[in-house]
Amino acid sequence: DVVMTQSPLSLPVTLGQPASISCRSSQSLVHSDGNTYLIWSQQRPGQSPRRLIYKVSDRDSGVPDRFSGSGSGTDFTLKISRVEAEDVGVYYCMQATHWPRTFGRGTRLEI
Amino acid sequence: QVQLVQSGAEVKKPGASVKVSCKASGYIFTQWFMHWVRQAPGQGLEWMGIIDPGGSFTSYPQKFQGRVTMTGDTSTGTVYMEVRSLRSEDTAVYYCVRAGPADFDFWGQGTLVTVSS
Repeated sequence: DVVMTQSPLSLPVTLGQPASISCRSSQSLVHSDGNTYLIWSQQRPGQSPRRLIYKVSDRDSGVPDRFSGSGSGTDFTLKISRVEAEDVGVYYCMQATHWPRTFGRGTRLEI
Repeated sequence: QVQLVQSGAEVKKPGASVKVSCKASGYIFTQWFMHWVRQAPGQGLEWMGIIDPGGSFTSYPQKFQGRVTMTGDTSTGTVYMEVRSLRSEDTAVYYCVRAGPADFDFWGQGTLVTVSS
């Protein structure tokens, strides 16, 4: 199984400041179709997860442009340019290239 | 708009079974596969398997093979997941998640299953 390793697991941030989360996979996430199926999801307290970013860097509809994803192969990053109060929660990276699907342990972002 | 509405919370005794439902709307039900993912209290996410709602295809990780069954009802647009031989470690929130474009695009609201004697 592909192991997804996130860091840090806890991220204290200051409002208005940037934040960055790293995700590394134990195997390349490049699919045979040429796409890289790396997803970032946000889980606010008491809510279901919500997809923010797919295929490494594509933002879902309604996701603020302060969120951005980058990376390739096995190393990926989620960046928040200026943290807002509503960004508090746990962020998960997920891989959808290989079976079984696997997830990172999550990064708790706190103000 | 896409909606996945799950059944309500359940309390079960060890050894019992539970069947959770997920009713889809806002898209063509048979167009996209559906995942089930669970989250134990205070823990991360665990993939439990996937189903083609319009066909007979299912796939489960080895951990859940023989204990989990996913089914679909195209007449009502609902997918189901049954977990048998429940144990305390199965206490978790269970989510259905659409395997839409680029995967994991829409999540249900979650169903809390508590296993306790």
